[in-house]
Amino acid sequence: QQPVQSPQAVILREGEDAVINCSSSKALYSVHWYRQKHGEAPVFLMILLKGGEQKGHEKISASFNEKKQQSSLYLTASQLSYSGTYFCGTGLDKLIFGTGTRLQVFP
Amino acid sequence: EPEVTQTPSHQVTQMGQEVILRCVPISNHLYFYWYRQILGQKVEFLVSFYNNEISEKSEIFDDQFSVERPDGSNFTLKIRSTKLEDSAMYFCASSVTANTGELFFGEGSRLTVL
Repeated sequence: QQPVQSPQAVILREGEDAVINCSSSKALYSVHWYRQKHGEAPVFLMILLKGGEQKGHEKISASFNEKKQQSSLYLTASQLSYSGTYFCGTGLDKLIFGTGTRLQVFP
Repeated sequence: EPEVTQTPSHQVTQMGQEVILRCVPISNHLYFYWYRQILGQKVEFLVSFYNNEISEKSEIFDDQFSVERPDGSNFTLKIRSTKLEDSAMYFCASSVTANTGELFFGEGSRLTVL
């Protein structure tokens, strides 16, 4: 079952913050986050494991709520380079990507 | 820095033709994957491969598709008889561990079926 992401799209000015949510109908053991720039391959941002620590990457961090079967990605003080489509990924034996959130950061 | 490489970068084929997409995963990785992405849409799982056999496959991965690791370095995806709806970007990925490990993606092979 594919995780559902919200919102579908976000438009920001440089320096603004954003939150991207990922929900699953199945129990989550881990959540991956990837960013894909236009015309490129997805690039790994971070992974959160059940019972593990919240992880961070530059000004991007994420949380993992096992009970709610949700994860959220936090982008703080966004930069132009943050533009792209963000995918969460879940699954035990195969990584299933979410519906995607397109983020556009303008100067 | 080690990377996953894919060839060809772009292939145009006629409907009904066979296509083979090639991937060289990172050398110490044990898990291999194929994903596809129709233009502007989500990244869809096709198949995972470990220890020289398929470990998981999706509904998309029907009898028209096959994968193999013929020589210990290449990892190939074959589509026997292409259809128009097979037109997509196909990404190969590899990882050291299963679901707890980072997936390293290749640059993709764009398949256009006419």
